[in-house]
Amino acid sequence: DAGVTQSPTHLIKTRGQQVTLRCSPKSGHDTVSWYQQALGQGPQFIFQYYEEEERQRGNFPDRFSGHQFPNYSSELNVNALLLGDSALYLCASSLPDRGVEQYFGPGTRLTVT
Amino acid sequence: KQEVTQIPAALSVPEGENLVLNCSFTDSAIYNLQWFRQDPGKGLTSLLLIQSSQREQTSGRLNASLDKSSGRSTLYIAASQPGDSATYLCAVRPTGGFKTIFGAGTRLFVKA
Repeated sequence: DAGVTQSPTHLIKTRGQQVTLRCSPKSGHDTVSWYQQALGQGPQFIFQYYEEEERQRGNFPDRFSGHQFPNYSSELNVNALLLGDSALYLCASSLPDRGVEQYFGPGTRLTVT
Repeated sequence: KQEVTQIPAALSVPEGENLVLNCSFTDSAIYNLQWFRQDPGKGLTSLLLIQSSQREQTSGRLNASLDKSSGRSTLYIAASQPGDSATYLCAVRPTGGFKTIFGAGTRLFVKA
């Protein structure tokens, strides 16, 4: 049973560019959440997708957007990259209920130069 | 506004020692609390999930407790091993929403 997968594992971009990160949820899960983790910090919630809709959003600017596909996989898009966007981006999948366990992928390390 | 704090920020212990990691949160209105382990540069591995109606959960050498009224949780690790060296994160899911709020973690080093 495949767990949560993310691609790519590492990415280097230049300020002002755009990036797309991808996530496939654990088998049987239909809810995907995205987090940003800066070095030495805990993950910060970006948004959650369920039934192809953004269900809740954290305190992130509109440069961060996402999408969920009918097969429950998801993309995170970041436009107009800033140096401060350099971080580990984590995807988590779960069932839609609030009280259920989240399972995390290995993350994508984004470096903005 | 829910805030999660973990103390200590870092901990170094000799192998075999029993240890306790602490997590506190400011608002008791939560669905659950989850403890994770993170190895350097890697994703998060779920260790234990405690629902708001529960007081503790156990898995092997790990035991997590939850005192919602005081806004505290502890993760107890028995007979620590060098392989337990990692960062341990606690996270709460507040009621009324779908976001999860994390602490900054406790970085644990177990010396052989």
